[in-house]
Amino acid sequence: GAGVSQSPRYKVAKRGQDVALRCDPISGHVSLFWYQQALGQGPEFLTYFQNEAQLDKSGLPSDRFFAERPEGSVSTLKIQRTQQEDSAVYLCASSLAGSYGYTFGSGTRLTVV
Amino acid sequence: SQELEQSPQSLIVQEGKNLTINCTSSKTLYGLYWYKQKYGEGLIFLMMLQKGGEEKSHEKITAKLDEKKQQSSLHITASQPSHAGIYLCGAARGGGADGLTFGKGTHLIIQP
Repeated sequence: GAGVSQSPRYKVAKRGQDVALRCDPISGHVSLFWYQQALGQGPEFLTYFQNEAQLDKSGLPSDRFFAERPEGSVSTLKIQRTQQEDSAVYLCASSLAGSYGYTFGSGTRLTVV
Repeated sequence: SQELEQSPQSLIVQEGKNLTINCTSSKTLYGLYWYKQKYGEGLIFLMMLQKGGEEKSHEKITAKLDEKKQQSSLHITASQPSHAGIYLCGAARGGGADGLTFGKGTHLIIQP
């Protein structure tokens, strides 16, 4: 596609629910990144993939967060048993292998009530 | 881990005035990115600086990298309402192409 596509744009979840956020990167982009952006803060790195391999997941805040990219294209960030502190915008970015150019999606705004 | 500090946190500028936003790193900068974000939207790439002393311009926005000071500045000339938004600086996490560490952002408001 022309850009990085994220869905849904907005998600409201009741505390304790599981959610799944989708990222469709630019076609041909090998690297895919997830970030979490709390209100009034800069994006914080969560995890990244090169093709289907998850190379770094050091930023995932707890074992309730899980990301996958099984076929090296679309990625899903799953949050289990959501808590209020999970409320944030979740941004996805993709890039060519070894490239320093990152293209970001519009994000998914998650609100946990 | 690398930390990026942006100043000011917020800025209100009258339309037509110039302004400068700074980004200071706790570690050596191997590359510095500037992005712009409208409220509730994704990040729009502005420019990337790789070498000390490098300066880049796009329309009325100029960014410079001072490697010795571990600092970058973003300067907007003759500000317009379209410049309003959040400006974020980012630096390579590990020195490679493995994602970015960001500052907290500078919220720019342009008063007509």
